[in-house]
Amino acid sequence: GAVVSQHPSWVICKSGTSVKIECRSLDFQATTMFWYRQFPKQSLMLMATSNEGSKATYEQGVEKDKFLINHASLTLSTLTVTSAHPEDSSFYLCSARDFTGGRQETQYFGPGTRLLVL
Amino acid sequence: GESVGLHLPTLSVQEGDNSIINCAYSNSASDYFIWYKQESGKGPQFIIDIRSNMDKRQGQRVTVLLNKTVKHLSLQIAATQPGDSAVYFCAENIWAAGNKLTFGGGTRVLVKP
Repeated sequence: GAVVSQHPSWVICKSGTSVKIECRSLDFQATTMFWYRQFPKQSLMLMATSNEGSKATYEQGVEKDKFLINHASLTLSTLTVTSAHPEDSSFYLCSARDFTGGRQETQYFGPGTRLLVL
Repeated sequence: GESVGLHLPTLSVQEGDNSIINCAYSNSASDYFIWYKQESGKGPQFIIDIRSNMDKRQGQRVTVLLNKTVKHLSLQIAATQPGDSAVYFCAENIWAAGNKLTFGGGTRVLVKP
């Protein structure tokens, strides 16, 4: 149980284009999902909290107009990197909380999406 | 708080020995802690968790110890195996502060055959 998927697993795009990453909870409903970014040999940095049916909450320093988050259903959240630039190249991770399994704070992570902007 | 750096601390351990990974957390209001294992190119995998009203919790081959007095968390892995080679992160959660996880800097574990 508590499986989270991400798509695509990797993407290469040209500078200036937009990229959409999907995060799905496969066997549970997730009212809250989280988006993280991880640079090589570094820890995970929380970008935003995605709430089903409402606006995302962004961490300080994260541009909400550049990283668009949509949480349209209880099993799907999307992150769109708009007008991507090489400095946006990173490993993007999503996680979700399973409120049905008991421990409400536990976050389960997807496999990640590696983005390379040329 | 969050720790960022280019060089992860590394723990080298002989296969079959026990491993102890340490984590210092900063916020005394943290009420829930998780250990994650991250293999190269993959997402973090949940290992074990512990609430702040406990000081020890055991799983399969793993034990988490919590010392709130000195704000210290540790993960013990018994009989370390080659498949345990990965980067291990501790994460702290504060329910009252938005129920978000804050990750530590990570420790790389290398298991020598």
